[in-house]
Amino acid sequence: GENVEQHPSTLSVQEGDSAVIKCTYSDSASNYFPWYKQELGKRPQLIIDIRSNVGEKKDQRIAVTLNKTAKHFSLHITETQPEDSAVYFCAAIRISSGSARQLTFGSGTQLTVLP
Amino acid sequence: DGGITQSPKYLFRKEGQNVTLSCEQNLNHDAMYWYRQDPGQGLRLIYYSQIVNDFQKGDIAEGYSVSREKKESFPLTVTSAQKNPTAFYLCASSLTGTVNTEAFFGQGTRLTVV
Repeated sequence: GENVEQHPSTLSVQEGDSAVIKCTYSDSASNYFPWYKQELGKRPQLIIDIRSNVGEKKDQRIAVTLNKTAKHFSLHITETQPEDSAVYFCAAIRISSGSARQLTFGSGTQLTVLP
Repeated sequence: DGGITQSPKYLFRKEGQNVTLSCEQNLNHDAMYWYRQDPGQGLRLIYYSQIVNDFQKGDIAEGYSVSREKKESFPLTVTSAQKNPTAFYLCASSLTGTVNTEAFFGQGTRLTVV
């Protein structure tokens, strides 16, 4: 099955600085890479995702990049704000019609934005 | 109000007892998942189901059992064989097509063995 490694496990940045979280995956057939944010005491929620046919996707202050050759992808948050403080999870999934889909997540990164 | 609901929010269990966690969704999703989350750790997959009456083991299925008799429901039983059951349990659901791929999570159940 798929194995996803996520780094770093904790990350502290000053407000206004950028934050980068990196993930690597093992299954070259994985073609969908979502990122979830879990605020303290709340459920994880999707914040951005990317498919294997693109190399980068942006949504305001958040961007995700994908390197299929190296099998790694990264989350970039610019101009960080205190409300960005949360645990972030990556996942690598093989999306195909009619087959079972095992949703496997990385170990998570606790991001703290310092005022 | 559409969504995925877990109950109860908090659950206490005596050692040696089985306990069942409820997960219900009204999103018409085919796929459902159970995860365990320990403090400072990630989401580890326990069981998943892509269709009614079918489910597969995840990475840490030992000591757990599930059923999928209805599309809307995917209950998780934590058996006495699970040696360290105290944890936060999250249920999720998703479509199984190739276009809409987002997984939606419940609010979680915190299980404590006393």
